[in-house]
Amino acid sequence: AQKVTQAQTEISVVEKEDVTLDCVYETRDTTYYLFWYKQPPSGELVFLIRRNSFDEQNEISGRYSWNFQKSTSSFNFTITASQVVDSAVYFCALSEALNSGYALNFGKGTSLLVTP
Amino acid sequence: KAGVTQTPRYLIKTRGQQVTLSCSPISGHRSVSWYQQTPGQGLQFLFEYFSETQRNKGNFPGRFSGRQFSNSRSEMNVSTLELGDSALYLCASSTGTGWKDTQYFGPGTRLTVL
Repeated sequence: AQKVTQAQTEISVVEKEDVTLDCVYETRDTTYYLFWYKQPPSGELVFLIRRNSFDEQNEISGRYSWNFQKSTSSFNFTITASQVVDSAVYFCALSEALNSGYALNFGKGTSLLVTP
Repeated sequence: KAGVTQTPRYLIKTRGQQVTLSCSPISGHRSVSWYQQTPGQGLQFLFEYFSETQRNKGNFPGRFSGRQFSNSRSEMNVSTLELGDSALYLCASSTGTGWKDTQYFGPGTRLTVL
């Protein structure tokens, strides 16, 4: 069975600090996809990134960067120079193939609070 | 392109009643999935529909059901509501081409059962 663990329940930082959100996963599949979503107070899950198991290159998008390490089954997310608008709950998810479709297995989420 | 829309956004029901939630996917997306989010259990997969057929179902009782129409719009129904059904119900759409799809989520319907 697949499992996604986000050990950090809540993180609080001061604006402009860097922060890393951890994600560790378990799967028996050799091919899989990992995702990060952001959930602001409004409730909608906003897609941030998708990474497949064959691509271990780090990804950078503006202040966001992702570090995927297959050897440690981790897919960590770093926000550089955090801003108040980054305050949200962040979810890591693993795509599981089911029949001819699929479902996302989510971690419990990390609540990030960025204060001025 | 318009995003995923869900109606209604908020709903209050009493125990024993039934409820129907609606989801309109992104134009061109043929797969619609439903998730339940609660503080205790987190985000849990309910079911996925593709071309009007349920492809997958999560571990939920039969009181939870859904359907998809020919225009890919989807509805989910919960019968005989229980207090524990209070949750944020999120709908997601994707192209439906397979498990490497990216799912795009709607704003959710917040259901409160009294």
